[in-house]
Amino acid sequence: RKEVEQDPGPFNVPEGATVAFNCTYSNSASQSFFWYRQDCRKEPKLLMSVYSSGNEDGRFTAQLNRASQYISLLIRDSKLSDSATYLCAVNMRTGGFKTIFGAGTRLFVKA
Amino acid sequence: EAEVAQSPRYKITEKSQAVAFWCDPISGHATLYWYRQILGQGPELLVQFQDESVVDDSQLPKDRFSAERLKGVDSTLKIQPAELGDSAMYLCASSLGVDREQYFGPGTRLTVT
Repeated sequence: RKEVEQDPGPFNVPEGATVAFNCTYSNSASQSFFWYRQDCRKEPKLLMSVYSSGNEDGRFTAQLNRASQYISLLIRDSKLSDSATYLCAVNMRTGGFKTIFGAGTRLFVKA
Repeated sequence: EAEVAQSPRYKITEKSQAVAFWCDPISGHATLYWYRQILGQGPELLVQFQDESVVDDSQLPKDRFSAERLKGVDSTLKIQPAELGDSAMYLCASSLGVDREQYFGPGTRLTVT
C-alpha cells in the first residue's frame, strides 16, 4: 500500500460544479498536510495548508480527518482555470520529517 | 514575491555523460529539497538538506547521483553517468522548516538520449 494515495481521475466537470478530492495517508504519525496545484509541465504551486480545524480560501475548502487518515479538497463554482492536477502532500515523522506526495488527481473543467 | 531559482530549465544529454543542476532557494529558507518527477506521478524526494547538512538521502541513487549545499544556501545536484531512465523533471523546493509548506522552482527537464 502506498503511503499517500489519490484517485488519479480524471474528474470531468462542467463550469460551476462542485468537486471534491480525497487523499488518504497510511502513517498515523503524519504531522502536516498540504494541497498543491500543478499545471501541465509546470512546477507544483502551494494551494493551501490543511489545518486540523479545516480551512477555507475563497472557493476552496480543505479538511483533515485524522481518525480516518485522509484530507479532502472541495472546489465550489468550478472555473475553466481550475483545470489542473491537484497533489496532496503529507509530512510524516519518521525519525526526522519526510514529505510524501500523492500522484495527483487530474481535473478538467469544461464550458 | 521571492522565488526559487533553478537552472538550466532544459537539458538534453547523451547517456554516460555528466549533468549538473543548480538551485537557489528563497532567502532565509533553511530546508532545501531535490525531487524527481516522472510524468503522471508525484514528486519523489531525492535529497533533503537542513542548512548545509543532508538529513535524508535515502532515495538518492548514490552510485551516480550526488548533491551538495556547501554554504547552506544554493545547491547543486549532479548525475554521472546519466542513464536513459534518468529522463524526468528535477524540481528544487525550499521551506522555512521541515514541517512547513514548500515552494518549488520551475524545474529542470532532463532528456537523456
